[in-house]
Amino acid sequence: EAGVTQFPSHSVIEKGQTVTLRCDPISGHDNLYWYRRVMGKEIKFLLHFVKESKQDESGMPNNRFLAERTGGTYSTLKVQPAELEDSGVYFCASSRRWGLLNTGELFFGEGSRLTVL
Amino acid sequence: QQQVKQSPQSLIVQKGGISIINCAYENTAFDYFPWYQQFPGKGPALLIAIRPDVSEKKEGRFTISFNKSAKQFSLHIMDSQPGDSATYFCAASRQGGATNKLIFGTGTLLAVQP
Repeated sequence: EAGVTQFPSHSVIEKGQTVTLRCDPISGHDNLYWYRRVMGKEIKFLLHFVKESKQDESGMPNNRFLAERTGGTYSTLKVQPAELEDSGVYFCASSRRWGLLNTGELFFGEGSRLTVL
Repeated sequence: QQQVKQSPQSLIVQKGGISIINCAYENTAFDYFPWYQQFPGKGPALLIAIRPDVSEKKEGRFTISFNKSAKQFSLHIMDSQPGDSATYFCAASRQGGATNKLIFGTGTLLAVQP
């Protein structure tokens, strides 16, 4: 079974440019999460999809960030325009959904490292 | 406001020694406490988890100790090995809600010296 895959693994862009990160969750996982880790800090929650619907986007920093999950499969996270403080490692994670409960183990991808110069 | 506080930030242990990482949480609604292990260039992976109805859970050399009244939990790695060198994250969440988003600590970089 393939794990969570993320692309690109590393992206270097200049301030003001746009970057789109992609996540392919494990097949059959309805829950998809985006997290971000800035160097030395906690892995911080950004948002949660259940299938194609945004369940919780309370962690999104501002309206420069746009996440989508087309057809409930893969997800993209777009940063436009990028700022210096957006640098960090963006993790995607997925899990099964058991009815109304979310008790499935969270499986993480290897992350997309974003460097904004 | 950091809901899960983790210490130490880094830890050096000799091979065969005991590694101890501590976490404290604020929200009493949390009812699931996992530890994740992350190797360089990889994503975090679930190592062991505990629910607050038990005070200890052991899996091989890894043990979680949980103190509900103090709102603290810790990871003990017995007989630490160089292969255990990684970053460890504690986390907490409330299961059964609309979203069981994990709230992570800041991580502990563990180095086990041979």
